Order: sequence, then structure tokens, then C-alpha cells
Amino acid sequence: DTAVSQTPKYLVTQMGNDKSIKCEQNLGHDTMYWYKQDSKKFLKIMFSYNNKELIINETVPNRFSPKSPDKAHLNLHINSLELGDSAVYFCASSQDWEAPFFGPGTRLTVL
Amino acid sequence: RKEVEQDPGPFNVPEGATVAFNCTYSNSASQSFFWYRQDCRKEPKLLMSVYSSGNEDGRFTAQLNRASQYISLLIRDSKLSDSATYLCVVMVGNNDMRFGAGTRLTVKP
Repeated sequence: DTAVSQTPKYLVTQMGNDKSIKCEQNLGHDTMYWYKQDSKKFLKIMFSYNNKELIINETVPNRFSPKSPDKAHLNLHINSLELGDSAVYFCASSQDWEAPFFGPGTRLTVL
Repeated sequence: RKEVEQDPGPFNVPEGATVAFNCTYSNSASQSFFWYRQDCRKEPKLLMSVYSSGNEDGRFTAQLNRASQYISLLIRDSKLSDSATYLCVVMVGNNDMRFGAGTRLTVKP
């Protein structure tokens, strides 16, 4: 009964490729997020969506395009991958002002 | 000034010690506050919410000082299993959660 799931768990790819990461939550939450955790372990917000509507876009390069087909899903597509995109990407969901739940993370390595 | 600031540590303490972490935030309009725990190569998990009146959960006590814009976490009688990174999380607006850089704790036998 996974609350927030992400696929794939690991992603290894070459520079210049395009890849997608999927996220689904079964908690009925209205808000979903993407976070990036780099090698220094700092968790930085990238996007948040509320009921499929983009709320926060935190100065992320436009190579990153989130898509929310419904409020239970928030996918992340990345074009023209660069070395600096290597990180762990976490999806999360929350409701109103309550504590968010995180997915297990997707470890992206760009070679 | 960073939105959420934490001492990154590391804190290395013996079993049974009491250890305290502090976190400051810059946005006075922040409404919700949490402490999360993150183990190596895992996702962050909620440890406890932080309420204005202070709250306790077993060996863990969280405090919020709105006037000074800081929150704290106290761990009593540290266990080996408490070794992890502790993340301060501030909800600066609905749908907008900001994290501190995390404080690394190692509890040694």
C-alpha cells in the first residue's frame, strides 16, 4: 500500500538524452511536489502543483517540464540531460498545511 | 539570508546523551513546521510536527519560538538508531515547503 510511488528508482543515461520520471500518490492529496537533492544533500523545491495547476516553479531550467494529468500523478520530463542534473529526485504530496509524504526517490546519473 | 537555516553538524554523541538541534526561518508568515528524519539513501520521513505550545513524543521534544523565528528539536537518551540526518521543514505558504540543509547526527556506542 505505497502512499507515494516513483518510477524508475534508478536511471542512468547519457548527456543529451531525454528522460521521464513518474510519480503517483494514493493519499487523495491535492498538492504534489518535485524536489531535487544534490550531492551536498540539500533538498531544493523544483515545482509544486495543486489540483493539476502549477503553483511553484522555482527557477528551474525550462529543460524540466512537469506534467500533472490528474491530481494523483505528477510526472517530470527532462530534455537534453546535463551532468549537473545528476541527483536524487523526490516526489512528495501533501494536503493543506499538513506534513508531506515523500516517495522513495529516483537516483538519476548522467554520464 | 537562507529561508531555513540549520547547523549542518556533524554532531557525534555517545549513547544516552541529550542532543539539541536548532533551526531558524526567515519568513515570519510561515504557518507549519516539522522535523523530518532522513536515513542514508532513503526518503525523508516525518519525525514530528512542531506546535506553538511545544510538543513531546517519547524521547523527542520540539519547540517553536515565533518571535525569534526558530524551532528546536531535543533528543534525550540517544540511541544508536537515532543516527540520521534531521531536516527542519517550514511551510512558508500553502503548497510551498522549504527545507533546511539538515543536521547530521551520529550516536556512538
